[in-house]
Parts: sequence; structure tokens; C-alpha cells
Amino acid sequence: DTGVSQDPRHKITKRGQNVTFRCDPISEHNRLYWYRQTLGQGPEFLTYFQNEAQLEKSRLLSDRFSAERPKGSFSTLEIQRTEQGDSAMYLCASSLTGGGTEAFFGQGTRLTVV
Amino acid sequence: SQQGEEDPQALSIQEGENATMNCSYKTSINNLQWYRQNSGRGLVHLILIRSNEREKHSGRLRVTLDTSKKSSSLLITASRAADTASYFCATDAYSGYALNFGKGTSLLVTP
Repeated sequence: DTGVSQDPRHKITKRGQNVTFRCDPISEHNRLYWYRQTLGQGPEFLTYFQNEAQLEKSRLLSDRFSAERPKGSFSTLEIQRTEQGDSAMYLCASSLTGGGTEAFFGQGTRLTVV
Repeated sequence: SQQGEEDPQALSIQEGENATMNCSYKTSINNLQWYRQNSGRGLVHLILIRSNEREKHSGRLRVTLDTSKKSSSLLITASRAADTASYFCATDAYSGYALNFGKGTSLLVTP
């Protein structure tokens, strides 16, 4: 297993367009997280899945954002009607179930909205 | 909102020196983790310390945790140029599943 992979690595889109990002977690990990990171800031939590169930969503996740994890494997994060403020690095992480387990992060998808 | 706050925001040292970064947090935690991020890359886990532990070592890393002060420190000994990166603390609060990150300390180690 090569770790958490994210696709694409970079995405440039025009304001108002929809974009979708994909995350493939480490295969035996049942927890999956999405974070957003802007320049000079730490990652901000967006949402969390335990298997296919979306158990927690941040207030940062507006109605334009939706995430899925069908069958508890890969996950997608869709942003509808993108705005310039959505420009950021979107990070995916996965971990095993249980308290105090480390999260493994992907390389991220850098979104630029022009 | 971000749970942790790292201090200092930026740190510049020479190779061979020690680097100390501090983290303060607000609510009760299960554990605290430190991560490292090289420019434009994903985060890499460094070390985890549980709320009932006070100190932990891993190679050149030493982490302390003071739950009464809601603070932690990360010490990197004998720093190398390759240690240049941003360092983040992350807390795993009782109330949720997600890791909450601070804004990070940007460390520059010059040869």
C-alpha cells in the first residue's frame, strides 16, 4: 500500500464551476477525514467518515460542499458553484478506529478558483 | 475553530542547535499529536502523547505535556537543515472525532 492518495494534485477552475476531488485512503483504515488548509494556517476540519457513514461535519462545510464515501472505501469531495474563497489545499487523511491513532495524510489537492 | 496555538509562529536556528516549539490548547483532550509539513506537501505524523503521559521521546524528538496548563512542547535536538518545515500540534478532544490543528510553527534550519 502506497498510503493515502488524492486526485487531482492541482485544479484550476473558473468561479461558478463545480469541482470534485477524490481520496483513496489506506485500505484497512475505516476512518477518513477531509481538511482544508489556506496559506499560513493549519488544517481546518471539514468532515469525517467512519466506514461509509458521515459522522461529523464542520460548520465550515457550507451547502455548496458535499462529501461521500460509498462502500466505505474511496471518498469524494464536491464543491458546487465555486467561489474565490474556496481556493485552498484540500487534504484527506485516514486512520484506524480507536482512540489515539495517528492520521495518515495525502499530498493534498490544491484548488485555485479564478 | 482551531484548538491549538503554536508558539513561536516562526523560528530560525543553525544546524546543530535545538529547536523548541510550544502548543497551547483550550479544552480537555484524549491525546495530543505533533505533525510536520514540508512546503506544499501533506502532513507527516511525528509523535503522539496521551493525556496521562507527561513526556515522550522518539529519536531526536522530545515532547512534554502539561494538562494542568493545557500546553505541550516539542523539542528537536541537534537540528539539521532537513528539519526545515512547519510543525503543527493537533488535539483529539473528548467531544469529537476530528483532530484540531493549530496554526503551526515555521522552522528554518540553516547550514
